[in-house]
Amino acid sequence: SQTIHQWPATLVQPVGSPLSLECTVEGTSNPNLYWYRQAAGRGLQLLFYSVGIGQISSEVPQNLSASRPQDRQFILSSKKLLLSDSGFYLCAWRHSRHTEAFFGQGTRLTVV
Amino acid sequence: SQQGEEDPQALSIQEGENATMNCSYKTSINNLQWYRQNSGRGLVHLILIRSNEREKHSGRLSVTLDTSKKSSSLLITASRAADTASYFCATDADAGNMLTFGGGTRLMVKP
Repeated sequence: SQTIHQWPATLVQPVGSPLSLECTVEGTSNPNLYWYRQAAGRGLQLLFYSVGIGQISSEVPQNLSASRPQDRQFILSSKKLLLSDSGFYLCAWRHSRHTEAFFGQGTRLTVV
Repeated sequence: SQQGEEDPQALSIQEGENATMNCSYKTSINNLQWYRQNSGRGLVHLILIRSNEREKHSGRLSVTLDTSKKSSSLLITASRAADTASYFCATDADAGNMLTFGGGTRLMVKP
């Protein structure tokens, strides 16, 4: 069976510090991978998605970047965090387009 | 950007009542999906309805899709306290690989 791991669960980082959030999927190959951000009590904002190694599509130009160094690994990064980067970050995967998505448990990031 | 917009934003009902949530979207879709999120957790897929389908059922869940009005509704019948959660619709465009979510409906079911 397939599983998705996302860590850490919570993170408190100072303004200006770097960020690296990792997401890995097990039990499948060549998944479509997604990073979303959710503000408190709000909907999900699509940040990045990837259909293959090294292929990243950015939906919202901002202080973040994403990379997919391996087939089942998706990393969200920032060189210098801003207060506005605080939020709940969710990683998701699906087999291909037009199928259901499976989500990780999320990382709550607080930038102080 | 958010494709789907849910209505209402919040809904409070008594256990045993039915809950209806609506979703409107703007562009052409291949399918529309509904997800549930418990507080502080990841989303869980509930149901997927394709653009050539009008109704779909899964247990106490019923989904309708009207592509001419670009709208969908999720009905939860005989609600339970455990149904308390946020519910999101997501649109899956015909072209590309994006899965775009709406703002969600926060459902509270009182015992």
